[in-house]
Amino acid sequence: QSALTQPASVSGSPGQSITISCTGTSSDVGSYNLVSWYQQHPGKAPKLMIYEGSKRPSGVSNRFSGSKSGNTASLTISGLQAEDEADYYCCSYAGSSTSAVVFGGGTKLTVL
Amino acid sequence: QVQLQESGPGLVKPSQTLSLTCTVSGGSISSGDYYWSWIRQPPGKGLEWIGYIYYSGSTYYNPSLKSRVTISVDTSKNQFSLKLSSVTAADTAVYYCAQYDSSGYHYFDYWGQGTLVTVSS
Repeated sequence: QSALTQPASVSGSPGQSITISCTGTSSDVGSYNLVSWYQQHPGKAPKLMIYEGSKRPSGVSNRFSGSKSGNTASLTISGLQAEDEADYYCCSYAGSSTSAVVFGGGTKLTVL
Repeated sequence: QVQLQESGPGLVKPSQTLSLTCTVSGGSISSGDYYWSWIRQPPGKGLEWIGYIYYSGSTYYNPSLKSRVTISVDTSKNQFSLKLSSVTAADTAVYYCAQYDSSGYHYFDYWGQGTLVTVSS
């Protein structure tokens, strides 16, 4: 089981948009539209931001959006705000016969 | 709203077994809509899925940890537990318990606050 690949860091200025990629394989991201994204502030538990690739839970800002193309999923944050600075993790279902769940290595978002 | 709380020793000696319990409140562990999961995060590193259990006792484990992991459930206490054997310093991490959707959407929607477990003599 290999972790999904994310960039180590991304940055943007307030008001700008950024995109974080999450690359997997045909066994996980490519096979299922079941990628979820989590935001984690220092010392806190992760928070669900996107599920099923592009759906937002109740209470999550519509500035957060998700998409997928082939084996790569993406999280886009528009209108960057200072409170968006955090670590972001993608996660994919990988099938019940194998490892079931795989996380990305995480991306540190810095708001300049 | 569902709440999860991890409990257990914060210090474990090398080669011993790490044991943690997660108590679920605000919802029933027997509801059937969720898997009950353990995830860990070494200091300064990313998240690693350990495994999960259904209320019936069915389990799925991360293949890299499978030989050392046991997850169990106690529906009468609304709790589930993690045991990790033969621990080393590499098992030092914050351990989270979380609720994982099993209805087809596959996401972790509620998490405990996490508990730091240090492996050291």
